[in-house]
Amino acid sequence: GDSVTQMEGPVTLSEEAFLTINCTYTATGYPSLFWYVQYPGEGLQLLLKATKADDKGSNKGFEATYRKETTSFHLEKGSVQVSDSAVYFCALRGGANSKLTFGKGITLSVRP
Amino acid sequence: DGGITQSPKYLFRKEGQNVTLSCEQNLNHDAMYWYRQDPGQGLRLIYYSQIVNDFQKGDIAEGYSVSREKKESFPLTVTSAQKNPTAFYLCASSPRREFTGNTIYFGEGSWLTVV
Repeated sequence: GDSVTQMEGPVTLSEEAFLTINCTYTATGYPSLFWYVQYPGEGLQLLLKATKADDKGSNKGFEATYRKETTSFHLEKGSVQVSDSAVYFCALRGGANSKLTFGKGITLSVRP
Repeated sequence: DGGITQSPKYLFRKEGQNVTLSCEQNLNHDAMYWYRQDPGQGLRLIYYSQIVNDFQKGDIAEGYSVSREKKESFPLTVTSAQKNPTAFYLCASSPRREFTGNTIYFGEGSWLTVV
């Protein structure tokens, strides 16, 4: 079945540091890939998505490229801010029922 | 404003009681979902519905029940058969499923605690 693997956390960075959060997936066919963000006590918000190989999703300074050859969708940001502190989930959607399959999430803390 | 409304935000339940979590959306979406979130385990799918009067079990449906009598509503009942119901519950919706790139939108969640 479909699965998503995220790097282990938590991650703590200083403000303005470079961020990479790794995400790899296993799926049949051609899934769409998503990054969601969850701020404390809230629901999930879509951060960015990519629907086919080599697409790059971007939003709020975050980027991720759909790499079919390495089955990866790593999230990057050049300069993180304290306000980026949250839990980040990688997810894929594909297959007959098109449910979202999530990774376990990773907590990012950014220090001033 | 369009969106997904979940209620209540916080709910306490005594052991042996059934409780129902409400989820309403005004996005005109066909598909609706319930996910459960536990620390360190990501989100797991409980039930989903692609159309009114139809729904399917997700990965962890035991101890839960749903109904889909109206397009905009998808309530979740946590029954006394659910052995470990304390969790954060998230309702979601999306346009019809044919295109996998359709975004799934989430509500603000409901915290359920068994006391």
